[in-house]
Amino acid sequence: SYELTQPLSVSVALGQTASVTCDGNKIGTKNVHWYRQKPGQAPVLVIYRDNKRPTEIPERFSGSRSGNTATLTISRAQVGDEADYYCQVWDRSTGDVTFGGGTKLTVL
Amino acid sequence: EVQLVESGGGLVKPGGSLRLSCAASGFAFSSYSMSWVRQAPGKGLEWVSSLSETSIYIFYADSVKGRFTISRDNAKSSLFLQMDSLRAEDTAVYYCARWREDTGTYFLDSWGQGTLVTVSS
Repeated sequence: SYELTQPLSVSVALGQTASVTCDGNKIGTKNVHWYRQKPGQAPVLVIYRDNKRPTEIPERFSGSRSGNTATLTISRAQVGDEADYYCQVWDRSTGDVTFGGGTKLTVL
Repeated sequence: EVQLVESGGGLVKPGGSLRLSCAASGFAFSSYSMSWVRQAPGKGLEWVSSLSETSIYIFYADSVKGRFTISRDNAKSSLFLQMDSLRAEDTAVYYCARWREDTGTYFLDSWGQGTLVTVSS
């Protein structure tokens, strides 16, 4: 089965830029989606199709993909951005959905 | 506003069964694929199952294949998950989510608040 690897945790200073990575074999051939989950809450879609933002998500959130790595970038990090972030892909051939293990973002 | 409300969770013994429901509102339910995703306590997200608008296409994670059955009632804007032969490792919060297609890929653009399923003797 397909696997996505994320760092367990990422820290960023208040107001600085955070990067959360997602590694997967041939991830460049797939579209990557990102979710934010705050404690006790349901996940929320923050990036779809690599770099598209839902209308309610601020421009500070962006996504990119290069080689075997997809990256979620959060500019001007705020305390309210502290959450777990998950990447996700869909396999067209099997219909399977794969999530990364999740990354806990801490804003210092 | 899209709303997804899950129900049916609870405590069940190993080997038992449970049926989860998800009531959808605020969008044309019959025009969207839907999914179930679960999250064990303190763990990450795990996809469980998805089905297409008219239930022609149905997919399951290997971990639940043969034990869980996903279904929908478009007339009632409802999604279901029949869970049989439950195991301790099925203990999780189960989320109902709208499964949206965009340019050849799928993602979950709206989520319910989840319902807790606990499998324990």
